[in-house]
Amino acid sequence: DAGITQSPRHKVTETGTPVTLRCHQTENHRYMYWYRQDPGHGLRLIHYSYGVKDTDKGEVSDGYSVSRSKTEDFLLTLESATSSQTSVYFCAISDRETQYFGPGTRLLVL
Amino acid sequence: AQKVTQAQTEISVVEKEDVTLDCVYETRDTTYYLFWYKQPPSGELVFLIRRNSFDEQNEISGRYSWNFQKSTSSFNFTITASQVVDSAVYFCALIVSYNTDKLIFGTGTRLQVFP
Repeated sequence: DAGITQSPRHKVTETGTPVTLRCHQTENHRYMYWYRQDPGHGLRLIHYSYGVKDTDKGEVSDGYSVSRSKTEDFLLTLESATSSQTSVYFCAISDRETQYFGPGTRLLVL
Repeated sequence: AQKVTQAQTEISVVEKEDVTLDCVYETRDTTYYLFWYKQPPSGELVFLIRRNSFDEQNEISGRYSWNFQKSTSSFNFTITASQVVDSAVYFCALIVSYNTDKLIFGTGTRLQVFP
């Protein structure tokens, strides 16, 4: 299995609070991704990174920001959480051939 | 625009039956990659197969096989002699831009295999 961990694995928060999800890899891969999974939508790309300090938006980036100060860590921040951001969040890394996914973070925004 | 369609939302079979999961994709690119992932009830996403657009050979891995047909833009997945452990949601996905490797997912097919 690819060495990817996500923290926290579960989180309950209130509307309007900031939330940061962490993705950590031990594979030294350049590319990292954040997706959200919602019923009826499959997985949708939020943001991705193609190197330290190099990030770009995906198809559902509104309300999210990311940072990557080290190769191994990719942070996803919800500046002010809303109920529509209740979802399961997956981090992925790529060896340029295949994306491998972390275990996911289940986020509930009340 | 790129798109992946998995028209079968849910399929139920009895153990030992063969089952085919359909995947139809849309892209104007000539170079692309197709994937299947499995999401068991535990929630993780497990990579099953990657196929590039220049390789139309069918692939077989144990009870799993994949049929890639560019003429119909399809990349179908067949499980032979299904087992209860095959119960999961299966996602088909497409990458069209190798520089950024952004995956485009279908909405998934939930397979339930009953004993």
